[in-house]
Amino acid sequence: GAGVSQSPSNKVTEKGKDVELRCDPISGHTALYWYRQSLGQGLEFLIYFQGNSAPDKSGLPSDRFSAERTGGSVSTLTIQRTQQEDSAVYLCASSLVSTPSTDTQYFGPGTRLTVL
Amino acid sequence: GENVEQHPSTLSVQEGDSAVIKCTYSDSASNYFPWYKQELGKGPQLIIDIRSNVGEKKDQRIAVTLNKTAKHFSLHITETQPEDSAVYFCAAIKAAGNKLTFGGGTRVLVKP
Repeated sequence: GAGVSQSPSNKVTEKGKDVELRCDPISGHTALYWYRQSLGQGLEFLIYFQGNSAPDKSGLPSDRFSAERTGGSVSTLTIQRTQQEDSAVYLCASSLVSTPSTDTQYFGPGTRLTVL
Repeated sequence: GENVEQHPSTLSVQEGDSAVIKCTYSDSASNYFPWYKQELGKGPQLIIDIRSNVGEKKDQRIAVTLNKTAKHFSLHITETQPEDSAVYFCAAIKAAGNKLTFGGGTRVLVKP
């Protein structure tokens, strides 16, 4: 079946502009995650959505970052007033979460963000 | 919080030889340990995982071992092939946890 999809695959923007990154999780997966992968920092957790529960935003690096998930499916990660240090690959993952211990996460191909 | 250390950061092996990557974790409550393979320009892909109620799991040429007492787990790739060249990440998560904590990654190069 279809995996996690993300768009755009690449985004180049100027410092100070806002960007929106989109994620379509695997159909039927109730949990959705955003991670950031940057040189020297590895893979960092950003935010987690599970069903109708309040999202876990503990990984967001600043208040310029926000995310929403509409209808329990598609998610958008928004970065306002982008800075050069925001340049990274932003990865989305989803999981079925049929039981609390079933947390296999499947990743999308990522969006490479470059802030000039 | 959880901290995952991964070694080595780079690994070069001859085709046909074995490759071993080791990870240690800090939180004894972690109970699920996946391994991901990431090829250039792609997202991480799950290749094998292990839960804390087993000590070893094998899938064809890859195997993972877990030592809960010592809080470390390892990935073993046998009979390596050029297509095994990639970056491999280990990770850990707690029961009912919601975020994977990743190791720093190992870049594996299989020389033909």
